[in-house]
Amino acid sequence: DTAVSQTPKYLVTQMGNDKSIKCEQNLGHDTMYWYKQDSKKFLKIMFSYNNKELIINETVPNRFSPKSPDKAHLNLHINSLELGDSAVYFCASSQDLGMGNTIYFGEGSWLTVV
Amino acid sequence: GQQVMQIPQYQHVQEGEDFTTYCNSSTTLSNIQWYKQRPGGHPVFLIQLVKSGEVKKQKRLTFQFGEAKKNSSLHITATQTTDVGTYFCAGNNDYKLSFGAGTTVTVRA
Repeated sequence: DTAVSQTPKYLVTQMGNDKSIKCEQNLGHDTMYWYKQDSKKFLKIMFSYNNKELIINETVPNRFSPKSPDKAHLNLHINSLELGDSAVYFCASSQDLGMGNTIYFGEGSWLTVV
Repeated sequence: GQQVMQIPQYQHVQEGEDFTTYCNSSTTLSNIQWYKQRPGGHPVFLIQLVKSGEVKKQKRLTFQFGEAKKNSSLHITATQTTDVGTYFCAGNNDYKLSFGAGTTVTVRA
């Protein structure tokens, strides 16, 4: 059973479109994240949620809107897609916000904007 | 803010040789974690170091946390093709985990 699952795995879309990526974790964790990995493999945190509450919003353009309907789900909606949004987006979760928690990553969603 | 620097960015290794990747923080860390991402895959947790000067081993991998808790290293002995991938360190401070830029390892058979 996949611990952190996200869909779609691959997404190719045109500039200006709106798209969503869905994420679910079945680990019973309280905290979920969205990370963006660029072509140089740099992992940058975008958002974190704890029990459906937004905790971290790392100066991400407001075209990106996360939504957490419950603590097992954290979806990412992106409006007016731009070329620079092309990247791999990883959903992740951890037990809670405490230091020392392991981050469990999903398999990633490869977004290509053309 | 906290920054975690990781060097080298790329490491090309002959199979059977050893190599080390280094991680340095601008601030004292509560703990440090290491992750491995295989090509086309996702980061997977390897280990966490908490104590000053701590050393942990996983088979051919040796992880070390500096005395001042501001740096860490990962040493791999007798590199194998299965070691290919990107190794990330992630430093924890103030309940925020900051990832280094990663060391991408390729192996020459």
